[in-house]
Amino acid sequence: GQNIDQPTEMTATEGAIVQINCTYQTSGFNGLFWYQQHAGEAPTFLSYNVLDGLEEKGRFSSFLSRSKGYSYLLLKELQMKDSASYLCAAEGANNLFFGTGTRLTVIP
Amino acid sequence: SAVISQKPSRDICQRGTSLTIQCQVDSQVTMMFWYRQQPGQSLTLIATANQGSEATYESGFVIDKFPISRPNLTFSTLTVSNMSPEDSSIYLCSVEGGHRGNIQYFGAGTRLSVL
Repeated sequence: GQNIDQPTEMTATEGAIVQINCTYQTSGFNGLFWYQQHAGEAPTFLSYNVLDGLEEKGRFSSFLSRSKGYSYLLLKELQMKDSASYLCAAEGANNLFFGTGTRLTVIP
Repeated sequence: SAVISQKPSRDICQRGTSLTIQCQVDSQVTMMFWYRQQPGQSLTLIATANQGSEATYESGFVIDKFPISRPNLTFSTLTVSNMSPEDSSIYLCSVEGGHRGNIQYFGAGTRLSVL
């Protein structure tokens, strides 16, 4: 079966660092996506991890451990515009399975 | 990345009616995907639409309820038929791209409310 778990909501302070975790169980797992979705807008691609380890892209980094079925998205130097939902999605053999998303609120 | 336009952006419909959602892409693509995002739920794939063939539906979704057209390589429509309040949701279309060809690019979605 397929199962994607991530926290429903998180709050963090502007300028701080926040880590959004995601655990997954996906048959035929290929890789792990993170998407950002602002309210009323389309999900936009942030990162894709295939290999274990950390991939850094500016203020955003994404980590994958295939053996643990675990990923996280790390956001540094938080800005107010980072307030959004962050969707974890596991790529299976024939499909893409999304988590319910983590709604991040950045406060001053 | 592809530019995807969806219409309408939102609609309020009466129970028992049907709504057709349009999705236009700025480049030719083989497959287009239709998703549903219900409040507080994950994005769920409804069907995959290939040009020139019948759409492939995921478990729990049927052609009679969600007929799909794919007349060419840049356009698709999804119809939500005989609507009920349970169909209230955001419907999104997407296409694949990126250097691996597996990154999903989404339209802004259609927010549907059924009374």
